[in-house]
Amino acid sequence: GAVVSQHPSRVICKSGTSVKIECRSLDFQATTMFWYRQFPKQSLMLMATSNEGSKATYEQGVEKDKFLINHASLTLSTLTVTSAHPEDSSFYICSAVKGQINTEAFFGQGTRLTVV
Amino acid sequence: GDSVTQMEGPVTLSEEAFLTINCTYTATGYPSLFWYVQYPGEGLQLLLKATKADDKGSNKGFEATYRKETTSFHLEKGSVQVSDSAVYFCALSSTELSFGAGTTVTVRA
Repeated sequence: GAVVSQHPSRVICKSGTSVKIECRSLDFQATTMFWYRQFPKQSLMLMATSNEGSKATYEQGVEKDKFLINHASLTLSTLTVTSAHPEDSSFYICSAVKGQINTEAFFGQGTRLTVV
Repeated sequence: GDSVTQMEGPVTLSEEAFLTINCTYTATGYPSLFWYVQYPGEGLQLLLKATKADDKGSNKGFEATYRKETTSFHLEKGSVQVSDSAVYFCALSSTELSFGAGTTVTVRA
């Protein structure tokens, strides 16, 4: 099956710093990538939809200046958490879709972000 | 818009018990349906899928049938094991990806 690599798997950063999370589709071209956030014991929350070469579409309530998404190529999307605060600590997961949206999504391994 | 309604947890079972997690959906068009599983400390993995009405997805002893008439995709396993303890997410894919809230399943020895 298709492989999506997410890096880093864990990161601890200080308040006020920025953290970049990468999501790569290793063996396919992903026209669309998604970024999710998962709070403890809760479901996935879609943060934004990222299409290659265009601006990301953010879900209501997600601060676009806080969570910068760049989809520079068909195999790479990045999420940058800017000026991180402890409340940004969470599990972030990316997914990528091959071709049409109505197909299986492939997930990265997730990134556990802890802001201290 | 599209939505998925999933049975709330948590669910606690004994080994070899029968597991059912209900999932119903609302969607325009003809979505594909999925069950994803998240084991403790790990990311999401696809468990099974069905792409059209009456399709049955199956994997690792789990099954789910795409029922268009009842807009459902219930997950079942006849005899669970401790290793099945995880969070299970029902999902729908049409014009967008939609997830259910997730059901935490704990299987006790």
